[in-house]
Order: sequence, then structure tokens, then C-alpha cells
Amino acid sequence: EAAVTQSPRNKVAVTGGKVTLSCNQTNNHNNMYWYRQDTGHGLRLIHYSYGAGSTEKGDIPDGYKASRPSQENFSLILELATPSQTSVYFCASGDWGDTQYFGPGTRLLVL
Amino acid sequence: SQLAEENSWALSVHEGESVTVNCSYKTSITALQWYRQKSGKGPAQLILIRSNEREKRNGRLRATLDTSSQSSSLSITATRCEDTAVYFCAASSGSWQLIFGSGTQLTVMP
Repeated sequence: EAAVTQSPRNKVAVTGGKVTLSCNQTNNHNNMYWYRQDTGHGLRLIHYSYGAGSTEKGDIPDGYKASRPSQENFSLILELATPSQTSVYFCASGDWGDTQYFGPGTRLLVL
Repeated sequence: SQLAEENSWALSVHEGESVTVNCSYKTSITALQWYRQKSGKGPAQLILIRSNEREKRNGRLRATLDTSSQSSSLSITATRCEDTAVYFCAASSGSWQLIFGSGTQLTVMP
């Protein structure tokens, strides 16, 4: 069964602190994605990756970095967290234009 | 404005009734996908319908695609309380990303 896991599931951070959200997939998909979900905005793409070593900017990359050290792992990094980054973050894996498999989400609160 | 958008913020029906969620999109697409997101969970795909298809079924679900009007619909028959969720359409145009709509909250009441 396709599986995407995320950690942590919940995170409280302080303004100006560094936050790392982790994602692991066992689907052997080349592509991985990070989205944030806010009320009224649906899912918005932050960064994505074609494969190990690659990261690309999505629609709203400002304030975020990404890292893809292996086929299975994709991290989202907030170097200087701000309250506006309080949101629910979803990782997904998938193939071009095809089904994306989502993780359970990480709820981030930046105080 | 959204590249893909559901036409209703929220819908409510009683168990056993049928319901249709509509979606419009603004670009040439290669496929249109429907996802469901239950409370506290990540979205999960229900149906993928390609641009050369007009209809796709998955159990109680039926999706249609009209490329001339750039619209799609997802119909659910014999609704159950567990169908309560947010339903998203997502358009792909052959590139790397899916464009998600804002979602329609469907509530199925006993």
C-alpha cells in the first residue's frame, strides 16, 4: 500500500526559530511535493522535487527551503519562522499529472 | 483567481440522497482529478478522468468531464454519513503540478 508519512504531526515554534518538517514515502515515486492548506485557499504548492538532489519552487516558496537527500525523504525548512506560516502542511508523492498520495499533515503553530 | 474551482462552498444532504459537486477550470488540461479530504486527514484521490474521457465511475461515484465548457462534476449516489468531507477538484495540464480548487464541504446528515 502506498504510504507517505510526516513528522512531527504537531509543532509549536517561536517566531524567528528554525523549523524542519520531514516527509518519507515508500511509493518509490520520483516526485514529491510540499503544500500548505489554509481556510479559503485550498492546497497551495510550496516546493516540489523531481528526485534525489533536486528541489524546485512552487507557487508560494518565499520563506521556505526544501531538501531532498534521497528518493524517500523530502524536508521542508523554515529558517526564520513567522506567525504567517502557521498552517497545516501536507507532503505528497506522485508521478507527472497523475495521482498524488498525501501524508496525514503537520499542524504548525508559530507564536 | 483559481485555475480550478468548485462551484459551491458547502452542500448538505440527507443520508441516501444523491449530490453533485461541480468544478470549473481555466486552462487546457490533460486530466481532472477529484480528491476527498476527511477531517484531520490528508486528501485522497477518488477519480482521475483524462481529457479524452467523458465519464468515469468508481462505485457510488461518477465523474464527468466537459472540455468544451471546461467543467467537471462529481456525483455521489446513496450518500452515507461517512461521505462527509471536503471535496476538491484538481487540474493537471501535463506539467509538474496539480492545481487544486478551494474545495466544497459536503455534509451528509442522518
